[in-house]
Amino acid sequence: AQKITQTQPGMFVQEKEAVTLDCTYDTSDQSYGLFWYKQPSSGEMIFLIYQGSYDEQNATEGRYSLNFQKARKSANLVISASQLGDSAMYFCAMREGANQGGKLIFGQGTELSVKP
Amino acid sequence: NAGVTQTPKFQVLKTGQSMTLQCAQDMNHNSMYWYRQDPGMGLRLIYYSASEGTTDKGEVPNGYNVSRLNKREFSLRLESAAPSQTSVYFCASSVRFSTDTQYFGPGTRLTVL
Repeated sequence: AQKITQTQPGMFVQEKEAVTLDCTYDTSDQSYGLFWYKQPSSGEMIFLIYQGSYDEQNATEGRYSLNFQKARKSANLVISASQLGDSAMYFCAMREGANQGGKLIFGQGTELSVKP
Repeated sequence: NAGVTQTPKFQVLKTGQSMTLQCAQDMNHNSMYWYRQDPGMGLRLIYYSASEGTTDKGEVPNGYNVSRLNKREFSLRLESAAPSQTSVYFCASSVRFSTDTQYFGPGTRLTVL
């Protein structure tokens, strides 16, 4: 079974608008972490934001926020005021509890295109 | 501060050839990882090193070996390359093994003919 599911292979958004990228996850661990990474066309993986399972507040980093709904096992990325430079692949990833080690499990990604 | 560096950036091999991918980090991180990314997919863990002197298999270790040369360097070796190993390879590091953000290198694009 998929542990990380990103159901949107591709998304379009108009410049300066907000966009939500969906991510659902599956784990039986109580302690886990959720990450979002950006991969532009140049290929590197850029860390954007992190949410711990025990964090009570949704994480925010500049224009990025993580809409964490624990009961629904979702960790959606919200990008506010989209910019042309936000066009990229976006990956959701999960690190399960300490017994699973530090390995990240990635979703298949969502390709975001920002239109001028 | 270069972060995580990888060499080479691109490589073409023939089936059966061997090669080593190099990774180094200058962030004084304890843990290092090797992932592969196949077209249209997320990254999958090949091997990891929780700390200097230890290495362990990840999700897809077959056909690979690793060496944690020192705290800074973690290499990935393909002993006998196969077309199925055509992929983009990423090295990553984190301060600690289980609880910290992983930071990635720029990747190595490998083609096996």
